[in-house]
Amino acid sequence: EPEVTQTPSHQVTQMGQEVILRCVPISNHLYFYWYRQILGQKVEFLVSFYNNEISEKSEIFDDQFSVERPDGSNFTLKIRSTKLEDSAMYFCASSRRTWSGQETQYFGPGTRLLVL
Amino acid sequence: AQTVTQSQPEMSVQEAETVTLSCTYDTSENNYYLFWYKQPPSRQMILVIRQEAYKQQNATENRFSVNFQKAAKSFSLKISDSQLGDTAMYFCAFRGGGSEKLVFGKGTKLTVNP
Repeated sequence: EPEVTQTPSHQVTQMGQEVILRCVPISNHLYFYWYRQILGQKVEFLVSFYNNEISEKSEIFDDQFSVERPDGSNFTLKIRSTKLEDSAMYFCASSRRTWSGQETQYFGPGTRLLVL
Repeated sequence: AQTVTQSQPEMSVQEAETVTLSCTYDTSENNYYLFWYKQPPSRQMILVIRQEAYKQQNATENRFSVNFQKAAKSFSLKISDSQLGDTAMYFCAFRGGGSEKLVFGKGTKLTVNP
């Protein structure tokens, strides 16, 4: 069964550094998402992406964050200047469609980001 | 804003028994979708079951079923014949009809004991 994959599984970075988290969505999916989960807290929505554009974003997704689909398979989340509070598990998800509500979001295994 | 509440941080059940996980939500929308996701210790979230709010019939998926009470805004998950592999975090999630984002509860850690 196709799966969403994410790399790296763990990333340690220094405060102020840029990080890029990578995701390969399921191949016939058209909608892509990033969520994060700070340790001990809820999974929170960051952004959704469709047709090479951000379709929805949360208040968390400020100018420090950006997303990109650089080629036909990868979907990336960039954090320009990491802060301590960016330490979290970041989940990528993808879905086939949303207009009819039939979509299910399939999640990747996550990238554990630690900012020191 | 929608909120999802899971009032049971942890639960345990004996293998082969039945357990029910609670979830309540708050929304002013009439058209929405509800989900239960399972996150085993390997940490990949897997969809367990989904329910469309316009459907009166409760969703079932093998040993998993829901009790959807729309008026009460309640969406509980029942696991029958619990198996050791059911040990995981279980997240209840809500998606509004006009939105793409999932709103999650804090999760319930379920342990199935042999």
